[in-house]
Amino acid sequence: DTEVTQTPKHLVMGMTNKKSLKCEQHMGHRAMYWYKQKAKKPPELMFVYSYEKLSINESVPSRFSPECPNSSLLNLHLHALQPEDSALYLCASSQVSGQGQPQHFGDGTRLSIL
Amino acid sequence: GENVEQHPSTLSVQEGDSAVIKCTYSDSASNYFPWYKQELGKGPQLIIDIRSNVGEKKDQRIAVTLNKTAKHFSLHITETQPEDSAVYFCAASRFPSNFGNEKLTFGTGTRLTIIP
Repeated sequence: DTEVTQTPKHLVMGMTNKKSLKCEQHMGHRAMYWYKQKAKKPPELMFVYSYEKLSINESVPSRFSPECPNSSLLNLHLHALQPEDSALYLCASSQVSGQGQPQHFGDGTRLSIL
Repeated sequence: GENVEQHPSTLSVQEGDSAVIKCTYSDSASNYFPWYKQELGKGPQLIIDIRSNVGEKKDQRIAVTLNKTAKHFSLHITETQPEDSAVYFCAASRFPSNFGNEKLTFGTGTRLTIIP
């Protein structure tokens, strides 16, 4: 079982809906990440939070809005998504960022946009 | 930025034989190289990692070798078993890196199938 927990596991939403993806870790890690993974492709980095501050925003459209309420929680707020946003959204955490520490992934939320 | 190439894209191996997956990287400053295994319906799972001050690392049936001069690193799985069937990703990053520059670059993945 993964130590990074993501909810929900599956999500189907319309293009006008607003929803949130949630991620939680209890390993005491201070860096958390959002990745997007399309079928048969590697994960693509979206956002990095380091000590609850946004560190990297990889030119992701504003319809994706990350939030890091505390060091254990990471949310991804979704609004007005497009069909091409259908993908597996992965959360990861590491002890710190930028120090060669391994990232530990959750099992993801499979998102389908109708 | 960093670019990581991974080969082969698919690999079929008879159970009990060895499997080797190779990656090359472009940024000579990269110094941290993890390998991930992703099973169907799951997230990537770290299986082994290596830093550039080490040339080889082994953990039971899994080993990783690193050639800094040639900028390539390889995953070796011995005595393969059906449960080794999965997609494997290599990755590279550099550390220490400043706030805003930490990033893991992934290879394109290898689908490994173990034939019973």
